[in-house]
Amino acid sequence: ELKVEQNPLFLSMQEGKNYTIYCNYSTTSDRLYWYRQDPGKSLESLFVLLSNGAVKQEGRLMASLDTKARLSTLHITAAVHDLSATYFCAGSKGLSTGTASKLTFGTGTRLQVTL
Amino acid sequence: GEEVAQTPKHLVRGEGQKAKLYCAPIKGHSYVFWYQQVLKNEFKFLISFQNENVFDETGMPKERFSAKCLPNSPCSLEIQATKLEDSAVYFCASTRLAVSYNEQFFGPGTRLTVL
Repeated sequence: ELKVEQNPLFLSMQEGKNYTIYCNYSTTSDRLYWYRQDPGKSLESLFVLLSNGAVKQEGRLMASLDTKARLSTLHITAAVHDLSATYFCAGSKGLSTGTASKLTFGTGTRLQVTL
Repeated sequence: GEEVAQTPKHLVRGEGQKAKLYCAPIKGHSYVFWYQQVLKNEFKFLISFQNENVFDETGMPKERFSAKCLPNSPCSLEIQATKLEDSAVYFCASTRLAVSYNEQFFGPGTRLTVL
């Protein structure tokens, strides 16, 4: 059974600083996802990572995947207040080719960017 | 539609009452997933459908929970005889099979409060 662990659980950082959120998973995961959730809101898809060495960037966020280490990271560059939210990583393990399987979520990292 | 729609936004029930939640997936998406998010941010997978067929029900508490996706109708999640611990936000997500990834798009959620 796939297990996903995230750390830290809570991150307070100053505007302009850099930081990384880590996501470890226990067994082979076909795909690794990063989502953002604002308080009281739904999940917004940020990145989908498919293969070893995959790196995706959008604005101040960059996600990477190392399948050998079973590790994904979400790096925040020069944080701004608007990035304050909870970030979740999630993995999926395909049941068979051509099917869509459930997501297994990490515990989430609550990011607070202070002025 | 182009977004996953969920109704109602909020639902309040007394213990022992029935609760029914609805989800309309994005048009053209053949998979529907139900997740439960409890107060500590933890996401729990409940059930998924491929069109109107149950695809994966490994997360469903079978005693009181049931779900359906019928043609030309919103999908539904029903909880008979609600308990206090059912209080949570229930998210529906949908995806279509793509060549390389199955990004799940989430609805706004239904907040269920059991008193």
